[in-house]
Amino acid sequence: NAGVTQTPKFRILKIGQSMTLQCTQDMNHNYMYWYRQDPGMGLKLIYYSVGAGITDKGEVPNGYNVSRSTTEDFPLRLELAAPSQTSVYFCASSYPELRGPYEQYFGPGTRLTVT
Amino acid sequence: GNSVTQMEGPVTLSEEAFLTINCTYTATGYPSLFWYVQYPGEGLQLLLKATKADDKGSNKGFEATYRKETTSFHLEKGSVQVSDSAVYFCALSVEGAQKLVFGQGTRLTINP
Repeated sequence: NAGVTQTPKFRILKIGQSMTLQCTQDMNHNYMYWYRQDPGMGLKLIYYSVGAGITDKGEVPNGYNVSRSTTEDFPLRLELAAPSQTSVYFCASSYPELRGPYEQYFGPGTRLTVT
Repeated sequence: GNSVTQMEGPVTLSEEAFLTINCTYTATGYPSLFWYVQYPGEGLQLLLKATKADDKGSNKGFEATYRKETTSFHLEKGSVQVSDSAVYFCALSVEGAQKLVFGQGTRLTINP
């Protein structure tokens, strides 16, 4: 049971390039999330998904896209990279218990630098 | 709206010192409260949680009590170790919402 895995661990992009951050979980969790963590800041929710085929915006969705074709995978796409997207990106998943508390399980993160 | 406020960091302590990291929240409804820990170079992992007022969460010597009257969930440990050096995040989730709201994190460094 690997939990939540993310690839790549590190990436440097030039301005205007595009890339996809991969996230996979093997816990059969319905809910998946993408966060970004800027230095000295908490986590901000980019997008989330409550099941295959269903996605919704979080606090900071601009500049990103997601898809959820399977329960296991939740890739995050950056179409036109900008320096403001330099951050550490975390994927998480959870199982929707009837009354919560919605504990989330996190991947190890992808450190992205855009120059 | 829902929000979490943590004490400003960074916090630096000597080994075996007593630790308190303050966390207060604002929430609609009846939130569940969490402390997550992030060790260097790793993702977040759940440290402890509490789901209703007066519950005490505990793990690895850390404790936090859900205080509804003061809307607080302060993290405490009686005797810290160098291995406790990490960033600590307080978070809440509100019943019916599938999302966590995080505080800004508090960096803790323990010196030998």
